[in-house]
This record gives sequence, structure tokens and C-alpha cells, in this order.
Amino acid sequence: AQSVTQPDIHITVSEGASLELRCNYSYGATPYLFWYVQSPGQGLQLLLKYFSGDTLVQGIKGFEAEFKRSQSSFNLRKPSVHWSDAAEYFCAVDNQGGKLIFGQGTELSVKP
Amino acid sequence: NAGVTQTPKFQVLKTGQSMTLQCAQDMNHEYMSWYRQDPGMGLRLIHYSVGAGITDQGEVPNGYNVSRSTTEDFPLRLLSAAPSQTSVYFCASSYSAGLDYGYTFGSGTRLTVV
Repeated sequence: AQSVTQPDIHITVSEGASLELRCNYSYGATPYLFWYVQSPGQGLQLLLKYFSGDTLVQGIKGFEAEFKRSQSSFNLRKPSVHWSDAAEYFCAVDNQGGKLIFGQGTELSVKP
Repeated sequence: NAGVTQTPKFQVLKTGQSMTLQCAQDMNHEYMSWYRQDPGMGLRLIHYSVGAGITDQGEVPNGYNVSRSTTEDFPLRLLSAAPSQTSVYFCASSYSAGLDYGYTFGSGTRLTVV
């Protein structure tokens, strides 16, 4: 079955430290890949997306993600975390069917 | 350009009541989909549509009906609400245009079934 796995339910990092959130997917071909962020009580905001081409994708708020076909991964990174980055992060995939399959989410806490 | 509009934003239902969550988009997007969000489970696909008159089930379709009579509207119906349907519901529309592909989400409906 098609699935998306975010292995880390909760991550805590210090402000200014680097961040990597993991995402693995199980699909037959390379799907469309997305990262979203959600603050408490808010909707979803798109951070970045990948379809093809350069496997390192730049997004908003200083985030980037790298697609690795051999590992079926699409990990999200940020070199220096700010307190305002505390939120929940979702990885999602679309196998070109007009529907998204989401991972369970990773909650990010930022220590001052 | 309003994007994806969901109504209502909040709703409290009694067990057994029925209701329809409305979703409308004004971007002429071909695809539309419904998700529910529960703590620790991410967003799960309920139903989706690839065009007017075409719908299909997602991961958690039980207890929900949909129809797509127009490109713009994709209502989600709860026929007999249950406490297990307490959740936040998001509607989305999506497009495919050449090398571009993207989703627009509504702001969500918070539903409580008592």
C-alpha cells in the first residue's frame, strides 16, 4: 500500500541549531512531494514541493528539502532554526491522482 | 480570488444528526479532495474527485458521502454523525499545468459530535 512515514513524532532543537525532518514514502514511481507547516489552530502552509529536476529544492522561510530516489526520502532541512519555526510539519505525496497522502506529522519545539 | 472556501468554520452536532460541509473553489481546478485531521494521525484522505461527476474513496470513507455536480463545488455529507467523526476537516483543490502542480487548501471546519 502507498504510504508516507515521518519517523519522528516530536523533535526539540535549540534556537540557532540546524534541523532535519525525515520523510520516507512508499510508491512505485516518483510521486509529487510536498512539505507543509501548520501552526496551532491554523491551516496548512506550503513550504516547498518537488516534481522533477534538481533534487535539492528551496522553499519559503529558509527551508530546503532533498529528494533521494534511492532512499525514497524527501527530508526537510533548515540551517538555523528560529523560535517562530515551532509548529507541526507534514510531508505529503501525490501519485498524480489529485489526492494527497500525508505522513503523521512531526511536531517541532524550539528551545530558547 | 477567494481560493477554496469552506463553510461552516465551526459546528457542533448531536450523535445521529446529519449535515453537509460545504467546499467551493473559484480557480477552475480539476481535482478536489477532503481530509480529516486528528491528533497524531496527520491528515487522512476521505474522498476525492478528478472532475465533475467523478468521485472515489480515500483512506477513511466510511460514514461520509460526496458528490461533484459542478467543477466548483464538492460537498461532504455526514449522514448520521458519530463522536468518532469529531475532527478538523480540510477541503483542497488541485491543478496540473504543464510542469506545475499544486494544491490549495481551505481554512478548515472544526466539527464536534456530542
